Amino acid sequence: EAGVTQSPTHLIKTRGQQVTLRCSPISGHTSVYWYQQALGLGLQFLLWYDEGEERNRGNFPPRFSGRQFPNYSSELNVNALELEDSALYLCASLSRSWATIYFGEGSWLTVV
Amino acid sequence: KNEVEQSPQNLTAQEGEFITINCSYSVGISALHWLQQHPGGGIVSLFMLSSGKKKHGRLIATINIQEKHSSLHITASHPRDSAVYICAVRSGGNQFYFGTGTSLTVIP
Repeated sequence: EAGVTQSPTHLIKTRGQQVTLRCSPISGHTSVYWYQQALGLGLQFLLWYDEGEERNRGNFPPRFSGRQFPNYSSELNVNALELEDSALYLCASLSRSWATIYFGEGSWLTVV
Repeated sequence: KNEVEQSPQNLTAQEGEFITINCSYSVGISALHWLQQHPGGGIVSLFMLSSGKKKHGRLIATINIQEKHSSLHITASHPRDSAVYICAVRSGGNQFYFGTGTSLTVIP
């Protein structure tokens, strides 16, 4: 069974640009969570999608947005990138039994 | 105040020592997860607990629902146990709250 996959793994963007990060959950998982982890800091909740709907969002500005597709894959979009957006962006999916949360390897974003 | 508090933040141990990491939470939960994050970012789930105690190899996790507290124990610690250990609680609505993690270094 394939795990949670994220792309791209690393990317460098210039301040003011836009970025799209992608996540494919484990097959059959309907819930996808997005988290930001700045260097040396803990996980900060960004967005939660389930069954194609946004269920909750964290305390981030509107330039952070996303969506979930009918196949339950998800995108995270960040507009007007700022230097402090440099971080590891992690996607996670929750098993149908809610017993285990699985994380992808993350997308390392550097904004210069 | 964070919904999930972990202690200690940093921990250095000699190989073979018994290690305890603590987690306290303030929200109602359906389950508590212990996660391990290695350098490079990958996070794996170690345990999911809703009551009692679970053991996997040298790792033991316990939870006290009444006291809203959980502990992760590592017996006979080894340098390969060096990682960040994260406590996460899942609310009834499947919202997750994360502790800031405990950075463990085990010295040979």
